[in-house]
Amino acid sequence: DIQMTQSPASLSASLGETVTIQCRASEDIYSGLAWYQQKPGKSPQLLIYGASSLQDGVPSRFSGSGSGTQYSLKISSMQTEDEGVYFCQQGLKYPTFGSGTKLEIK
Amino acid sequence: EVQLVESGGGLVQPGRSLKLSCVASGFTFNNYWMTWIRQAPGKGLEWVASITNTGGSTYYPDSVKGRFTISRDNAKSTLYLQMNSLRSEDTATYYCTRFRVSYYYFDYWGQGVMVTVSS
Repeated sequence: DIQMTQSPASLSASLGETVTIQCRASEDIYSGLAWYQQKPGKSPQLLIYGASSLQDGVPSRFSGSGSGTQYSLKISSMQTEDEGVYFCQQGLKYPTFGSGTKLEIK
Repeated sequence: EVQLVESGGGLVQPGRSLKLSCVASGFTFNNYWMTWIRQAPGKGLEWVASITNTGGSTYYPDSVKGRFTISRDNAKSTLYLQMNSLRSEDTATYYCTRFRVSYYYFDYWGQGVMVTVSS
């Protein structure tokens, strides 16, 4: 199985701050990387697919980058509604997820 | 609007069976692979089962292989998950998701259904 290592496990950010979350795959996943946001009591919502493609309806302050085994999600200007848990996911072989990053407002 | 609505969850004793359903609407169901993903309370996400758009092939992780069966009825736009020999570690919220094979991601998720395995 391909292991996904996500960091940090948690962070807090001020309104307007830029936030970056990292995800590392145990082998090359050829940009088959997606990011999801989950709010308490809700199902995950797709933000980014193909490492850098923004899902329809997702604010442009979210962006994804990376290749090979290293990927990142950036929120360019933290908003209150961005609080939640963020997961990365690869699907090159059987789907696996990162352990999640809990993002809170400082 | 794409909608995925799960049902069939509940409390079940270890070793017993349960069948989940997911009714899809807002898209051409038989054009898409579908997948079940679960999340244990306070934990991360785990892939449980996938099925091709025709239902001709299915895929499972070792943790559920031989116990769980994914199936679909394209005429009814419904996805199923038959869960047998349930264990306490199967306790989780189960999500029905639409899977995109282009870049291997899940673009729509249901609201989830809770399954609790306990005596």
